[in-house]
Amino acid sequence: EPEVTQTPSHQVTQMGQEVILRCVPISNHLYFYWYRQILGQKVEFLVSFYNNEISEKSEIFDDQFSVERPDGSNFTLKIRSTKLEDSAMYFCASNRDRSSYEQYFGPGTRLTVT
Amino acid sequence: GNSVTQMEGPVTLSEEAFLTINCTYTATGYPSLFWYVQYPGEGLQLLLKATKADDKGSNKGFEATYRKETTSFHLEKGSVQVSDSAVYFCALRKETSGSRLTFGEGTQLTVNP
Repeated sequence: EPEVTQTPSHQVTQMGQEVILRCVPISNHLYFYWYRQILGQKVEFLVSFYNNEISEKSEIFDDQFSVERPDGSNFTLKIRSTKLEDSAMYFCASNRDRSSYEQYFGPGTRLTVT
Repeated sequence: GNSVTQMEGPVTLSEEAFLTINCTYTATGYPSLFWYVQYPGEGLQLLLKATKADDKGSNKGFEATYRKETTSFHLEKGSVQVSDSAVYFCALRKETSGSRLTFGEGTQLTVNP
């Protein structure tokens, strides 16, 4: 069964460094998402992406963040100048089209900023 | 804005016990409601959904009914198994908010043999 994959599973970085989190969505899906979950808090929407551009973003997704689909398979989240409060689990998700109810989630990347 | 609230967790039950995990929501209009489950080391998986008032979603013995009058979508299962141990997330989606999901806090369920 097709699945969304994410790498790495755990990333440790120093404050102020840039990180890139990688995701491979399901191959025939067209909509891609990033969510994050700070430990002990809710899963929060960050951004959605369609047709090579951002279709929606939350208040959290400021200039520190960017997303890209550099090729036909990867979907990346870049976090510039990381802060301690960026430590969280980051989930990638995809779905086939906007009306499809089910978003398929990856297992997540745990980002630890020290 | 839209929000989802789940019952305080975690929940620990014995096998074959009855499960209820409460979920209430705040949203204008008619959101779609979901329960997602996350097994250890895996991503969130859609467990069931309901798209309009009084709809009942069901899957793998789990059920939840969309109650607009009480703005609730409580998850129930009559007889839990050890394999049901996981984190359960209630979520909503409003069409006017695009396709983003708004999640509750998540409830850790542990079922002991």
